[in-house]
Amino acid sequence: GNSVTQMEGPVTLSEEAFLTINCTYTATGYPSLFWYVQYPGEGLQLLLKATKADDKGSNKGFEATYRKETTSFHLEKGSVQVSDSAVYFCALTETGANSKLTFGKGITLSVRP
Amino acid sequence: DGGITQSPKYLFRKEGQNVTLSCEQNLNHDAMYWYRQDPGQGLRLIYYSQIVNDFQKGDIAEGYSVSREKKESFPLTVTSAQKNPTAFYLCASTQGYGTDTQYFGPGTRLTVL
Repeated sequence: GNSVTQMEGPVTLSEEAFLTINCTYTATGYPSLFWYVQYPGEGLQLLLKATKADDKGSNKGFEATYRKETTSFHLEKGSVQVSDSAVYFCALTETGANSKLTFGKGITLSVRP
Repeated sequence: DGGITQSPKYLFRKEGQNVTLSCEQNLNHDAMYWYRQDPGQGLRLIYYSQIVNDFQKGDIAEGYSVSREKKESFPLTVTSAQKNPTAFYLCASTQGYGTDTQYFGPGTRLTVL
């Protein structure tokens, strides 16, 4: 079956630091990959996505590249802000799977001023 | 504005009582989903519905029931058979099948006393 593995958290950074959150996946087909963000007390919002190998998703200064050879979709941001403090989820869905998402466990990011 | 609404935001119930969580969308999406979120476990799929009057069990359907009588509504009932119902419940929808992006509601936090 499908699975998504995220690095262990939580992660605490100072403002303007570089961020990397690792995500690797296992899938039988050709998945699309997603990063969702959850701010405290809220639902999930799509941050970015990539639908095929070598695609790069980007939004709000965050980027992630779909690496089929390493089955990875690591999230990066060059300079984090306090407002980026949230829980980040990596997820995948396979074509024809009725958009069923498989989520990683999520990682909490805290950014200090 | 189009979106997904879940009500109420916080819900308290006594052990042994059934409780129904509301989910409404005005996005004209065909597919709807219910997830359960527990600390450190990511999101797990409870039920999903691809079209009106049709739904399928997800990974953790035991102790839950759903209905899909209208396209815009997908209520979830947490029954007394659910052994550990206290959790954060999230509803989502997509336009259709395949790799469509899921849009999430703000969630309902259920506490069983």
